[in-house]
Amino acid sequence: EPEVTQTPSHQVTQMGQEVILRCVPISNHLYFYWYRQILGQKVEFLVSFYNNEISEKSEIFDDQFSVERPDGSNFTLKIRSTKLEDSAMYFCASSDSGAEFFGPGTRLTVL
Amino acid sequence: DAKTTQPPSMDCAEGRAANLPCNHSTISGNEYVYWYRQIHSQGPQYIIHGLKNNETNEMASLIITEDRKSSTLILPHATLRDTAVYYCIVSFDRGSTLGRLYFGRGTQLTVWP
Repeated sequence: EPEVTQTPSHQVTQMGQEVILRCVPISNHLYFYWYRQILGQKVEFLVSFYNNEISEKSEIFDDQFSVERPDGSNFTLKIRSTKLEDSAMYFCASSDSGAEFFGPGTRLTVL
Repeated sequence: DAKTTQPPSMDCAEGRAANLPCNHSTISGNEYVYWYRQIHSQGPQYIIHGLKNNETNEMASLIITEDRKSSTLILPHATLRDTAVYYCIVSFDRGSTLGRLYFGRGTQLTVWP
């Protein structure tokens, strides 16, 4: 069964450093998303992406965040200058016209 | 913000049916009811979704009331592996609009031996 994959599974970084989280969505899906979940809190929407552009973003997704689909398979989330409060699980998801399917997540730890 | 109300926790004996309720009294006519679950800190797992009619797949059944103001997710024969947080979410169809999924606190289902 096709699935969304994410790398790395765990990323540790120093405050102020840039990180790139990578995702490979399900191959025939056209809609892509990033969500995050701070430990013990709700899953929160960050951004949705379709046709090579952002279609919606939340108030969390500020200028420090960017997304890109650099080729036909990868979908990336970049955080330019990480803050302590960016520590969270980051989930990528993709969909066709139906439900969203989520990846296993990347645990980001900012020290 | 989440437009659904779910009980914070429920228990179920292994092998029995688990019936998870959800209230969504402000659902609009073209919004779907989606159910996801999350085991520990894993990615949310899609279970089922529906608009008006009851739906069934290999994982679960979804019963939506006629007025669409509430629904019930049924796991017909719960196993220990079904222990998870279950989220009921109302949202537009993914293909017609690219709206976000609003996750609330969900229901922690614990299946006991």
